Amino acid sequence: EAGVVQSPRYKIIEKKQPVAFWCNPISGHNTLYWYRQNLGQGPELLIRYENEEAVDDSQLPKDRFSAERLKGVDSTLKIQPAELGDSAVYLCASSLKSWGPYEQYFGPGTRLTVT
Amino acid sequence: AQKITQTQPGMFVQEKEAVTLDCTYDTSDQSYGLFWYKQPSSGEMIFLIYQGSYDEQNATEGRYSLNFQKARKSANLVISASQLGDSAMYFCAMREGDGGSNYKLTFGKGTLLTVNP
Repeated sequence: EAGVVQSPRYKIIEKKQPVAFWCNPISGHNTLYWYRQNLGQGPELLIRYENEEAVDDSQLPKDRFSAERLKGVDSTLKIQPAELGDSAVYLCASSLKSWGPYEQYFGPGTRLTVT
Repeated sequence: AQKITQTQPGMFVQEKEAVTLDCTYDTSDQSYGLFWYKQPSSGEMIFLIYQGSYDEQNATEGRYSLNFQKARKSANLVISASQLGDSAMYFCAMREGDGGSNYKLTFGKGTLLTVNP
């Protein structure tokens, strides 16, 4: 069974440029998460989807970040315009459900460098 | 207050010995879940073990066990018979809520484990 797929793996952009990350979760997983992981820190949740609905986007900086999960499968996270402080690893994860003993499966992440 | 506290930024252990990684948590919920993940230098987060707040027995998964002390709000990870491949960053995480609007998921800052040959 394929794991969580993310692309690109690495991205280097100049500040003020837009960038987008793509995630394809494990088949059948209804819940999809986007995290940001700064160097030396644990992941911080940005947004959580239940199917195609964003049920928790309280940590998403909405002035520059947007996300979508069309048809409740794959998802895109966008930053426009990027700032130097956005340099981080962006992780996508999925789980069968968001409660109970259902662990999250993580993708390899996208390492973003903003110069 | 920190939701998840991992007080050991780094730990060293000799190969084949056991090691305990500490995790304390803060919640007022009665129902919550605790997770441990491993993140090797390759970057991918790997699920290790889960403990539900109502589980009466400590969780075990192979060489991993969770020392759950509810009254102390601690959920320490014990790795037995350490292997060189165990060298990685380890994160403790807590899920509060039932998956609805009050759902929260918080990770600690991690502990870097180094296994020496």
